Amino acid sequence: GQQLNQSPQSMFIQEGEDVSMNCTSSSIFNTWLWYKQEPGEGPVLLIALYKAGELTSNGRLTAQFGITRKDSFLNISASIPSDVGIYFCAGQLRGNFNKFYFGSGTKLNVKP
Amino acid sequence: SQTIHQWPATLVQPVGSPLSLECTVEGTSNPNLYWYRQAAGRGLQLLFYSVGIGQISSEVPQNLSASRPQDRQFILSSKKLLLSDSGFYLCAWSLAYNEQFFGPGTRLTVL
Repeated sequence: GQQLNQSPQSMFIQEGEDVSMNCTSSSIFNTWLWYKQEPGEGPVLLIALYKAGELTSNGRLTAQFGITRKDSFLNISASIPSDVGIYFCAGQLRGNFNKFYFGSGTKLNVKP
Repeated sequence: SQTIHQWPATLVQPVGSPLSLECTVEGTSNPNLYWYRQAAGRGLQLLFYSVGIGQISSEVPQNLSASRPQDRQFILSSKKLLLSDSGFYLCAWSLAYNEQFFGPGTRLTVL
């Protein structure tokens, strides 16, 4: 099946630091989505990207749709303790809008 | 606005017992519907998806099945649960060419 390589697997940072994580694939994607999941809850959509090169912000979060359409990254600026959780990237392949492929997640820990 | 419901929230079942998890979506029509399973600390595994009533695509061969009896209702079933069926089950919906939204999940423990 299709694989999205998400890195890093986990991060331990100090409150106030910036965070960067990314997803790459060998295939071209038409959509990139970024989610945050907290323990015992369903993933919550943070940002959706639809065009190559698109840069979109949601508060302290910024995500970009890579020019090659094979990657995306998520940045979190000035992290706070409530940013703790698992962040997932997801995408839809060009030509197949019924399925979503997910990365394995980046576990973020923020030390106050 | 659209909302997605799942129940039950938690479930403890003995090995060999049947299973029925339900998911309903409100506020939209003709959604694509999805069932995922998530093992502890792991990523999301797509189990089934449906693009319309009675249309089910299975992604992983297993002892689970899915049904879509109504436009906004998606059911995950099993006739006999295995220990390996334990996990966090998530239902999601999307419209074609659009984002995907998840329900709150069902925590299933098979003993």
